[in-house]
Amino acid sequence: EAQVTQNPRYLITVTGKKLTVTCSQNMNHEYMSWYRQDPGLGLRQIYYSMNVEVTDKGDVPEGYKVSRKEKRNFPLILESPSPNQTSLYFCASSLSINKISYEQYFGPGTRLTVT
Amino acid sequence: QKEVEQNSGPLSVPEGAIASLNCTYSDRVSQSFFWYRQYSGKSPELIMSIYSNGDKEDGRFTAQLNKASQYVSLLIRDSQPSDSATYLCAVNAGGSYIPTFGRGTSLIVHP
Repeated sequence: EAQVTQNPRYLITVTGKKLTVTCSQNMNHEYMSWYRQDPGLGLRQIYYSMNVEVTDKGDVPEGYKVSRKEKRNFPLILESPSPNQTSLYFCASSLSINKISYEQYFGPGTRLTVT
Repeated sequence: QKEVEQNSGPLSVPEGAIASLNCTYSDRVSQSFFWYRQYSGKSPELIMSIYSNGDKEDGRFTAQLNKASQYVSLLIRDSQPSDSATYLCAVNAGGSYIPTFGRGTSLIVHP
C-alpha cells in the first residue's frame, strides 16, 4: 500500500530534550516536506527536500533541522524543543516533474507537546 | 509574497444541498491547483487537482478554475454530513516548486 508513515504519532516531552520525528514514504517520491499546523494558522511549511541531499527552508524553519540521506526518509529533528513548538506535525511527499511538486500525500500526523 | 485566500467559515449547508467553496490566489502565473479535505485531527487528503481553465468533475465534486479572475472553487453536490470537514486550497505559483496552502474553509453539513 502506498503510504507515508510517521513516528511517533504522539509525543510529550520536556523543554530542551532533543527529539526526532521520523517520516518514510514508499512511493519513490522525490519531494518531501514537513508542515506544522496550529489553530487559526493553517499549514505552515517547515522544511522541504527536492531530492536526496537537497533540503531547503520553508516558512517557519527556526528551531528545526532535517536531513535527506535516503530518498524514502526525511526525519525532523528538534535539537532543543521549546513549548512554542507544541503543535501537530505532518510529513508529506509528492512526485515532482521538472522540480515542481504536484499532488501531495500526507502522513497521519504527530501530535507533539513540549512542557 | 504569494498568497492563497479562503474564507475560514464555517460554511453551513443542509444535507442534500450544494456546498460551494472558494479560493483566490495572488500570483497570475499559477499553474496547478489542488483541493484537500481534512477531518478534525486527521491529515489532509487530496480530493481534486485541476490544471486548466474550466470545470473538472469527479463524482459529487466539481473543481472550477478561472485563471483570468484568479480563483478556483470546489462544488460538492448532494452534500452529506460526512462531508463536514475543513477544505484546503493549494496553489503552485508560477516559478515555484512547492505549493502554497490556504488556511482552509470549515464546512458543516447538517441533517
